[in-house]
Amino acid sequence: GESVGLHLPTLSVQEGDNSIINCAYSNSASDYFIWYKQESGKGPQFIIDIRSNMDKRQGQRVTVLLNKTVKHLSLQIAATQPGDSAVYFCAENAGAGGTSYGKLTFGQGTILTVHP
Amino acid sequence: DGGITQSPKYLFRKEGQNVTLSCEQNLNHDAMYWYRQDPGQGLRLIYYSQIVNDFQKGDIAEGYSVSREKKESFPLTVTSAQKNPTAFYLCASSRPGLASYEQYFGPGTRLTVT
Repeated sequence: GESVGLHLPTLSVQEGDNSIINCAYSNSASDYFIWYKQESGKGPQFIIDIRSNMDKRQGQRVTVLLNKTVKHLSLQIAATQPGDSAVYFCAENAGAGGTSYGKLTFGQGTILTVHP
Repeated sequence: DGGITQSPKYLFRKEGQNVTLSCEQNLNHDAMYWYRQDPGQGLRLIYYSQIVNDFQKGDIAEGYSVSREKKESFPLTVTSAQKNPTAFYLCASSRPGLASYEQYFGPGTRLTVT
């Protein structure tokens, strides 16, 4: 089956640096992508999402880039802070309708560690 | 405050016992989901429900059961047939639409079976 995956399982950065977390997807029919942040022992929290009719979307200190040509998604975090340390997951909408409507397929996750 | 609650936060059971995990939401969301997360792993879908009185198996439904009698509630039963039940269980809800498929997650229940 098709799935979402991540290139790098761990990422270590210094406080103040910019972070880039990557995600590859294989389902060319996916039309919605989302990034979550999960702190240890907690549920995932929404960061930002993007639809396939866009290639870039910005939030507060975060930017998501979508390259449909190579099926690649990235999350950029500007001026990374120690509080950004967490596991980051990308996910894609698994289907357009029927019983798959609303389902998300999650990648493995990237552990981001920010050193003071 | 609107949100999703899961209880308890930690749960311990002996092997061979069934256990039910609670998930309640007051977001008025139609869809609800159960995921399992193992250490260092992503989220795997167990069951999901798009509407009251209906639910579908996810990728790893064996050894689990659910019910959806009320819109607000989606309890998950981990049965004795589940071979490796120790894990972190996450419940989520959503209101899928043209704008977003965002799922809102609860705080999770960590189940330990010995």
